[in-house]
Amino acid sequence: DIVMTQSPLSLPVSPGEPASIYCRSSQSLLHSNGYNYLSWYLQKPGKSPQLLIYFNSNRASGVTDRFSGSGSGTDFTLKISRVEAEDVGVYYCMQGLQSPYTFGQGTKLEIK
Amino acid sequence: EVQLVQSGAEVRNPGESLKISCKGSGYSFTTYWIGWVRQMPGKGLEWMGIIYPGDSDTRYSPSFQGQVTISADKSINTAYLQWISLKASDTAMYYCARPRCSAGSCQYIDFWGQGTLVTVSS
Repeated sequence: DIVMTQSPLSLPVSPGEPASIYCRSSQSLLHSNGYNYLSWYLQKPGKSPQLLIYFNSNRASGVTDRFSGSGSGTDFTLKISRVEAEDVGVYYCMQGLQSPYTFGQGTKLEIK
Repeated sequence: EVQLVQSGAEVRNPGESLKISCKGSGYSFTTYWIGWVRQMPGKGLEWMGIIYPGDSDTRYSPSFQGQVTISADKSINTAYLQWISLKASDTAMYYCARPRCSAGSCQYIDFWGQGTLVTVSS
């Protein structure tokens, strides 16, 4: 199985400050078609996960441009340009290259 | 608008059976895969398996193969997750989800249900 490792696991951030979450995969997620099969999700407290980013850097419909994804191969980053109170929750990365599809452990973002 | 609406919370005793459901609407149910994701209390997300309602092709993650059954009734746009004999360790939130799949892999999940909490306790 492809192992997904996120860091940090806890991320306290002041409002208006930037934040970065890292995700490393045990195998390259770069498909032969040139896309990285890496997606990001946010699970707000008491809610279902929601898609933020797919194919490493494409924002899902309705997602604010404060969120951006970057990286390639085995190392990926989710960046929030200016954290707002509504961004609190647990962020997960997921690989969609190889079954079984696997998630990172999650990064809990909280407001300082 | 795409919606995945799941059945309500369930409480069962160990050894009992259970079938939970997920009804899709707002899209062509038979032409998208649909699957299930487990979240144990205070833990992360685990991919369980998927089904293609158009032909009932079903794929399980190895950890869940033989432990659960995924099925679908395309006449009523509903997918199911079933247990024959529940264990306490099956206590979790179960999300149905619509993955976007092509060319042999499922790249990401674009829609999620609201979750069904299953509690197994004597």
